[in-house]
Formats: sequence, structure tokens, C-alpha cells
Amino acid sequence: AQTVTQSQPEMSVQEAETVTLSCTYDTSESDYYLFWYKQPPSRQMILVIRQEAYKQQNATENRFSVNFQKAAKSFSLKISDSQLGDAAMYFCAYRRPQGAQKLVFGQGTRLTINP
Amino acid sequence: GAVVSQHPSRVICKSGTSVKIECRSLDFQATTMFWYRQFPKKSLMLMATSNEGSKATYEQGVEKDKFLINHASLTLSTLTVTSAHPEDSSFYICSARGGTGDYEQYFGPGTRLTVT
Repeated sequence: AQTVTQSQPEMSVQEAETVTLSCTYDTSESDYYLFWYKQPPSRQMILVIRQEAYKQQNATENRFSVNFQKAAKSFSLKISDSQLGDAAMYFCAYRRPQGAQKLVFGQGTRLTINP
Repeated sequence: GAVVSQHPSRVICKSGTSVKIECRSLDFQATTMFWYRQFPKKSLMLMATSNEGSKATYEQGVEKDKFLINHASLTLSTLTVTSAHPEDSSFYICSARGGTGDYEQYFGPGTRLTVT
């Protein structure tokens, strides 16, 4: 079974600085999707960024980018120019491309932005 | 963008009663819906996967007779917590996946259930 591990329960960063959230996963599949979701205090899950395993290029969405290391099974999220609105729980998730396509979530990292 | 709603957003019920939570895809047809449970400061735990018109597939350890899931249409799935007890108090989140494109999952805003 696939597992996702986020080893940082909490992280904090100064506003306008850069922070990196870590995620590792375990799978025997060669094709899959990886995601970072944000859950602000409202509890609404928001997709931040997505990476297809077959793509070597790291995904980027504005201030958010990932470092996808397939051989190491590592998928970290970098947030540049941190803003107060980035404060939230961040969940890393794995999904197979076929079948039930259910998401397997990591434990989450609570990110605090210090003004 | 695709929108998923949940109703109610919050519900309080007495122990022993049943409560129904609705999950609707507002602007797309959801071939598959997922139900998650989230404890305070914890991650999302998948409870079950439901496909329109067929029985839900429950994750190991989830009581199917306690958490009844119905996915009768392409825009509506319901989760009924039967004979609720205080330990069923939690935050329940649904997500929906369409049948075209890259099958992205879209999440509802969640329902907080408190059983007294």
C-alpha cells in the first residue's frame, strides 16, 4: 500500500521569506500523481499544485513550486515570498492514475507566517 | 471552477439518532464521490468511495452499517451516520470527481458533526 509521510508537524516563516515543506512517499508504481493541498482555518481543501510522475520538470504555480525527486520518492513544496494568507495546514497527497483514484494523504504540516 | 457543496455545514444531534449529510456537485457530473473523516489537527482519513448507481466501497475498519452512503445521482451523494454516538463527532468532508479530463477531485467545505 502507498504511504505518504510529512515529517514536519509545524513550520514557521517570516513574511516575505521562503519556506520548504517536506514530503516523502512510498510506492511500487511507476506512474502516479502527487499533490499539495492547503487547508486554511475555514477547513476548505484547496489544491495548491500537482505533479505527474512521468514529467521530469518540476511543477510551478506562481509563488509555489515543487522539488520532485522520483528516485528518492521525495516531493517538497517551496513557498516563495510568504504571505499571511499562506498560513494553513498543508497536506501532501498521492494518487494512482488508474482504478479508484483515491487520495492518500500525509499527516500534514501546520505553517505559521510571522509578520 | 468545479464547485462541491455540503449540507449542513454544522449539525448537532442526540446520541442514538441518525443524521444525514449531503454532498452535491453543482456544476459538473460526479461519477465518483469520496467521503473523508478528519479529527482535530489530524489528516483526512478516507472512509469510502462511491460510484453513481453502485454500492460504496468502504475502507478497512469503517462500519458500512453505521455509515450509510448513497450515490443515487451524478450530482448527489449522501452519508448517513446511523445511531450516532459521541465518538462519531468529527469533521466530515466529501470530494467529487468528474468523468472527463484529468479526473481532478474537488472538495466540499465539510460538515462538523457533534453528537451529544
